[in-house]
Amino acid sequence: NAGVTQTPKFRILKIGQSMTLQCTQDMNHNYMYWYRQDPGMGLKLIYYSVGAGITDKGEVPNGYNVSRSTTEDFPLRLELAAPSQTSVYFCASRGGHPTNEKLFFGSGTQLSVL
Amino acid sequence: GENVEQHPSTLSVQEGDSAVIKCTYSDSASNYFPWYKQELGKGPQLIIDIRSNVGEKKDQRIAVTLNKTAKHFSLHITETQPEDSAVYFCAASNTSGTYKYIFGTGTRLKVLA
Repeated sequence: NAGVTQTPKFRILKIGQSMTLQCTQDMNHNYMYWYRQDPGMGLKLIYYSVGAGITDKGEVPNGYNVSRSTTEDFPLRLELAAPSQTSVYFCASRGGHPTNEKLFFGSGTQLSVL
Repeated sequence: GENVEQHPSTLSVQEGDSAVIKCTYSDSASNYFPWYKQELGKGPQLIIDIRSNVGEKKDQRIAVTLNKTAKHFSLHITETQPEDSAVYFCAASNTSGTYKYIFGTGTRLKVLA
């Protein structure tokens, strides 16, 4: 199993550009999450999904969009990039059973908006 | 809203000493408390977790304690080694609710050789 795979690893955007951060998992996990990590601020939840076709907002959803058309994929879309979106983005997943709480993280995407 | 406070933000210890990191959560419905270790350039990895029906859990040199009444939980690392140097995050979750995980702000642990 590859686990949770994120692409790209690094990206520089100009203000106003758009991009999609890709996330895929091969563990057949129902739950998937997008977090951003800012220095000294921990991990903030952007969006999450409890299954294909279902998404919901987290703590900091403004400026982002997501979709979940398949169990495996959970892309994060930035439509009009702003400097405030400079951050490290992590995708995570977990199984659906209530006692299967372990989150598996990808290796992250470092995004700079200049 | 739901919140998890974590202290200290940085911690330096001598190799072989113990390290303790503390977290406080606000949502009384939280019932699952994991700890993650993040090494430079990598994603967080689970190192130990505890459920609300347990007061303490150990795994070799690491242990976690939970005080539900005070809404506190702590990570204890004994006999620290240089490879323990990393950023550690606590989190709280209500696994019978929305399955969201609220993370603390992280502790940078440095183990000095």
